[in-house]
Amino acid sequence: DAGVIQSPRHEVTEMGQEVTLRCKPISGHDYLFWYRQTMMRGLELLIYFNNNVPIDDSGMPEDRFSAKMPNASFSTLKIQPSEPRDSAVYFCASKTGGSQPQHFGDGTRLSIL
Amino acid sequence: AQKITQTQPGMFVQEKEAVTLDCTYDTSDQSYGLFWYKQPSSGEMIFLIYQGSYDEQNATEGRYSLNFQKARKSANLVISASQLGDSAMYFCAMRPNNAGNMLTFGGGTRLMVKP
Repeated sequence: DAGVIQSPRHEVTEMGQEVTLRCKPISGHDYLFWYRQTMMRGLELLIYFNNNVPIDDSGMPEDRFSAKMPNASFSTLKIQPSEPRDSAVYFCASKTGGSQPQHFGDGTRLSIL
Repeated sequence: AQKITQTQPGMFVQEKEAVTLDCTYDTSDQSYGLFWYKQPSSGEMIFLIYQGSYDEQNATEGRYSLNFQKARKSANLVISASQLGDSAMYFCAMRPNNAGNMLTFGGGTRLMVKP
């Protein structure tokens, strides 16, 4: 079975540019999560969706960040405009309901110059 | 708010020996789940083991077991017969069952297995 698929794996761009990260959850999973991992702050939940609806976006750092889930098989996390402090590894994860664990994608390593 | 504490930033273990990675948590919730994830140097996050707060038995998955002590609010991961491939970061995480599936992660422990 295919796991959570994220693209791109690596992204290097200049500050001020728009960045779009993509995620395809595991088929049948109705929860989708976006995380950011940095050395200073560890793993932080940014936002999560249930049945394509955003449930909690309290972790989104500021208005420059936005996330969408137009259908059950696709989500995007967008940063506009990007800043060097946004450099991090961004993970997408998905799960089914109940006590099931979250399954993570391989992450996108983002570097903003 | 929930808090997860992993007090060992780094640990060494000799190959083939057992090792315990510590995790304590702070919550006022009575019903919750505890998880351990492994992050090798390649960067992916791999789910290892789950323990529910009402589970009477400690969870086991192959060489992984979870030493769950509810009164002490601890959920230590035990890896038996360490292998070189066990060298990685290990994260403990908790999800209160009334928190809408949100996980809170600890800061992680870096385990290094010596040949």
